[in-house]
Amino acid sequence: DVKVTQSSRYLVKRTGEKVFLECVQDMDHENMFWYRQDPGLGLRLIYFSYDVKMKEKGDIPEGYSVSREKKERFSLILESASTNQTSMYLCASSAPDRTPYEQYFGPGTRLTVT
Amino acid sequence: GENVEQHPSTLSVQEGDSAVIKCTYSDSASNYFPWYKQELGKRPQLIIDIRSNVGEKKDQRIAVTLNKTAKHFSLHITETQPEDSAVYFCAASQAGGGNKLTFGTGTQLKVEL
Repeated sequence: DVKVTQSSRYLVKRTGEKVFLECVQDMDHENMFWYRQDPGLGLRLIYFSYDVKMKEKGDIPEGYSVSREKKERFSLILESASTNQTSMYLCASSAPDRTPYEQYFGPGTRLTVT
Repeated sequence: GENVEQHPSTLSVQEGDSAVIKCTYSDSASNYFPWYKQELGKRPQLIIDIRSNVGEKKDQRIAVTLNKTAKHFSLHITETQPEDSAVYFCAASQAGGGNKLTFGTGTQLKVEL
C-alpha cells in the first residue's frame, strides 16, 4: 500500500518567514510533485521532480523552490512567505512505468501565513 | 502549455440519477486522461483513466468517454449514491501516465436523498 506522508497537517507562519514543507513516499517512486489547492482553482502544479537532484518548474513556481536530495523525499520551500501563499499544499508521487499510473497524494498541509 | 477546462463547477442530482462532468483540453499532444475523486477532508484518488487510443472505458457505475477530434472527455456516473458526493477533477498529460498532469478546476457533486 502506497504511503505518502507530509510533515504537518496544519501550519501557521508569519509573513517573511522561511517555510519548509516536507513529503516522504515509501514506494520507490521516481516522480514527485507539489501542488497547491485553492477553491475554484483546482490543483495547480508548483514543481515536480523525475529523479534525485532533478527539478522542473510547474505552472506556478514563483515564490517557491524545491529540493530532492533523496529519492523518497521532496521538500517545498517558501523563501519568504507571503499572505497570498496561504493555501492547501498537496504532495504526490508516481511511477511512470507502472500501471495504473496513479499519482498518490499525501494528506495535505494547510498553511496559513499571517 | 496545456489548459484543461471543466464544467460544471457544481452539480446536484437525486440519488439514482446519472451525473455527467465534461472537460476540454487544448493540446492535441495530450494522450492520457485520468479522473480523480476527492472526498471532503481527504486526499484525491484516481477512479478511472483513459488513454488516447481508446474511445470509452467503463468500470462498474463509472465510465469515461474521449473525443480526440473535439479534444473533449467526460465522466459518467450512473445510479448515483450518497457516497459519490465529492469533488471530481479531470486531468490531461502529454507525457503518458505517471507524469506531469494538468488538472481541471473541479466539480463539486452532491447526491441528494
